[in-house]
Amino acid sequence: DIQMTQSPSTLSASVGDRVSITCRASQTISIWLAWYQQKPGKAPKLLIYKASTLESGVPSRFSGSGSGTEFTLTISSLQADDFATYYCQHYENFPWTFGQGTKVEMK
Amino acid sequence: EVQLVQSGPEVKKAGQSLKISCKCSGLTSTNHWIGWVRQMPGKGLEWMGISFLRDSDVRYSPNFQGQVTMSVDKAIATAYLQWSSLKASDTAMYYCAIHGDGAKYWGQGTLVTVSS
Repeated sequence: DIQMTQSPSTLSASVGDRVSITCRASQTISIWLAWYQQKPGKAPKLLIYKASTLESGVPSRFSGSGSGTEFTLTISSLQADDFATYYCQHYENFPWTFGQGTKVEMK
Repeated sequence: EVQLVQSGPEVKKAGQSLKISCKCSGLTSTNHWIGWVRQMPGKGLEWMGISFLRDSDVRYSPNFQGQVTMSVDKAIATAYLQWSSLKASDTAMYYCAIHGDGAKYWGQGTLVTVSS
């Protein structure tokens, strides 16, 4: 099974900051990676798929990059609504595993 | 508009059986994978497995193989997740989602609480 490792586990930032979250796969997954945002008590929301394609309706301050085994989610200018937990998930082959999550909290 | 509506919260005792559902509406075909995700209290997302609505093909995560049974009813576009004997450690929120390139559509979640 492919393991997904996110870093950091927690990220403290302020509104307006540029923040980046890294996701590493234990073996190559090409571009078959998605990023999700989850807020407390809510279902996850798809932000990015195929590593860098922005889901419709997602603000352009979110971007994704990478291929193979290393991927990055970047928020160019953090907004108040962006404080949440973020997960990566591969879908290269079954089982499709999630990273452990990165909580973005207010500094 | 695609919507996934899950069955309501459940409170069970250890050893009891349970089947929860995820009804999909707004789909234009049955060529969809419907997956299940577990989230234990205060923890992250765990991918449990996935079913193909058209032909009922099921793929389980090794972590959940033998612990749960996933199924679908194509005629009513509904996916199911069931347990034959619940454990206290099954206490969690369970989400269904339609997976394509990522999971764009999610159910609202079903909270399962199992007491010992």
